[in-house]
Amino acid sequence: AQTVTQSQPEMSVQEAETVTLSCTYDTSENNYYLFWYKQPPSRQMILVIRQEAYKQQNATENRFSVNFQKAAKSFSLKISDSQLGDTAMYFCAFMNSNSGYALNFGKGTSLLVTP
Amino acid sequence: DGGITQSPKYLFRKEGQNVTLSCEQNLNHDAMYWYRQDPGQGLRLIYYSQIVNDFQKGDIAEGYSVSREKKESFPLTVTSAQKNPTAFYLCASSIGLFNQPQHFGDGTRLSIL
Repeated sequence: AQTVTQSQPEMSVQEAETVTLSCTYDTSENNYYLFWYKQPPSRQMILVIRQEAYKQQNATENRFSVNFQKAAKSFSLKISDSQLGDTAMYFCAFMNSNSGYALNFGKGTSLLVTP
Repeated sequence: DGGITQSPKYLFRKEGQNVTLSCEQNLNHDAMYWYRQDPGQGLRLIYYSQIVNDFQKGDIAEGYSVSREKKESFPLTVTSAQKNPTAFYLCASSIGLFNQPQHFGDGTRLSIL
């Protein structure tokens, strides 16, 4: 079974600064997808960014980028120019071809952006 | 607008009672999923369905049941066999292809009276 580990339960960052959230995973598969989802206080799950395992280039979406290290099974999220609206729980998730493409989630990192 | 609708937003269950959470999508997605979220935990998979009239158990299916009679609908029943049902329940759907992300509803908060 695949496991996803987020080792930072809580983090804080000042507005306009950069923060990196860690995620590691364990799998024996070679092809898979990785996702970061954001859950603000409204509890809505919002897709932030995704990465295909066979692509070496790190994904980027505006202020959000990932550092994907396949050999180390690491998938960290970098948020640049942090904004107050980035305050949320952030979940790392793993998708494989089993379980109907369901997601295995980490326990999340609670990010607080302060003025 | 296309999306996923979960209802009700809040639900209360008495001891020994079955309750059903509704999930409807108008995205024309083939696959649908139910997740449970507890404080300090990530989301855990309860059931999933890749096609109408077919569904599979996830990691924590005990005490739950589902049906998939229509493409648009995937209701979840929390039975009296589920001894700790208090949680936040999220429904999701996707096209069902490997590289496609899931879209989530706004969730249902279930509590015990």
